[in-house]
Amino acid sequence: EAQVTQNPRYLITVTGKKLTVTCSQNMNHEYMSWYRQDPGLGLRQIYYSMNVEVTDKGDVPEGYKVSRKEKRNFPLILESPSPNQTSLYFCASSLLIAGANVLTFGAGSRLTVL
Amino acid sequence: AQRVTQPEKLLSVFKGAPVELKCNYSYSGSPELFWYVQYSRQRLQLLLRHISRESIKGFTADLNKGETSFHLKKPFAQEEDSAMYYCALRSHTGKLIFGQGTTLQVKP
Repeated sequence: EAQVTQNPRYLITVTGKKLTVTCSQNMNHEYMSWYRQDPGLGLRQIYYSMNVEVTDKGDVPEGYKVSRKEKRNFPLILESPSPNQTSLYFCASSLLIAGANVLTFGAGSRLTVL
Repeated sequence: AQRVTQPEKLLSVFKGAPVELKCNYSYSGSPELFWYVQYSRQRLQLLLRHISRESIKGFTADLNKGETSFHLKKPFAQEEDSAMYYCALRSHTGKLIFGQGTTLQVKP
């Protein structure tokens, strides 16, 4: 089944403890992106990637890192999480061809930083 | 600057009433515009896109370049339409930008 898989789905951690949220897609998509969703603020882009080894900052990249060493994986790294990073995170991917560039979303990862 | 604006955080209507969710954009080129929907406890998914000029679940959206708008409309709202709706713009570089989202609440 074509899908975007995120892990973990739920995580409670403490300030400063490094964590990684994995994202994997099996559709050979070039484009991958991370978003956070907060009440009243909608979806805000953290980082995105157009292809392997190509990553760019979105609107709210502070406190996050990403890597794109393989086409299928796009992990989100929080080196030193803080409470303001408590949020619902979504990974998404798509082709970049016009007309076929609809985003497929993961199920979301709910992160709580104490 | 590229921007997508959804002015209403919450839109509440009664079943059977017409619905219009507003979306305005700022973009210097020819944008690709989309509406995504998030039903309760489900993943975000595409509702429709302007290049397809289609009607999905009774919803339509017309790109108005003069007014830089891409409003989502449905003549008769149903309770199952209750969800969060996001307008999105894809730039020529491939980057996808979302609006702040509008929660549609359809009351019985």
